[in-house]
Amino acid sequence: DGGITQSPKYLFRKEGQNVTLSCEQNLNHDAMYWYRQDPGQGLRLIYYSQIVNDFQKGDIAEGYSVSREKKESFPLTVTSAQKNPTAFYLCASSIGSANYGYTFGSGTRLTVV
Amino acid sequence: DQQVKQNSPSLSVQEGRISILNCDYTNSMFDYFLWYKKYPAEGPTFLISISSIKDKNEDGRFTVFLNKSAKHLSLHIVPSQPGDSAVYFCAASARGGSQGNLIFGKGTKLSVKP
Repeated sequence: DGGITQSPKYLFRKEGQNVTLSCEQNLNHDAMYWYRQDPGQGLRLIYYSQIVNDFQKGDIAEGYSVSREKKESFPLTVTSAQKNPTAFYLCASSIGSANYGYTFGSGTRLTVV
Repeated sequence: DQQVKQNSPSLSVQEGRISILNCDYTNSMFDYFLWYKKYPAEGPTFLISISSIKDKNEDGRFTVFLNKSAKHLSLHIVPSQPGDSAVYFCAASARGGSQGNLIFGKGTKLSVKP
């Protein structure tokens, strides 16, 4: 079955540590995205990538980094520079144009203590 | 500044009645609109979409209406079922999606009471 997989489902990290969230898709989608969800804030775009080896900052990229070395993978690193990293992180992919809609992963809940 | 607004954070309806979720947008370049449904601790799932060349799109119990002059769209669910209880996000894209990403509203939490 084709889909998009985020791992782990829950992640705990100490303050000041970098952490990498995994996102893998086998849908052969060109574009991939990272969103963050906070209560009352909806979905806010962190980074997106439309092709391999290329990515763009979204609305809230500060404190985050990404890489897109393979079409299937788009890992997100939450660095110690991110002021409020505790949130629910969602990865998504699309064929190309956003008009086709996104397929979302099931999310990773990151808690920094 | 929010380009996609869902002004009602929550909505409660009785099972069997109609649910109407509203969404307003400010960017006149938006030409494609989507609704997503999200359960807690899960990723959103696509529900229904509409192009700006239409004013209505229907899929089973779900109908989306678009009023371009008012920059307003709404999602109607008839009849509402308890399983419809979730957060609903409105999303928009511009120039055929070439902008590269969807702009989401903050969501409306729908509760359908048995």
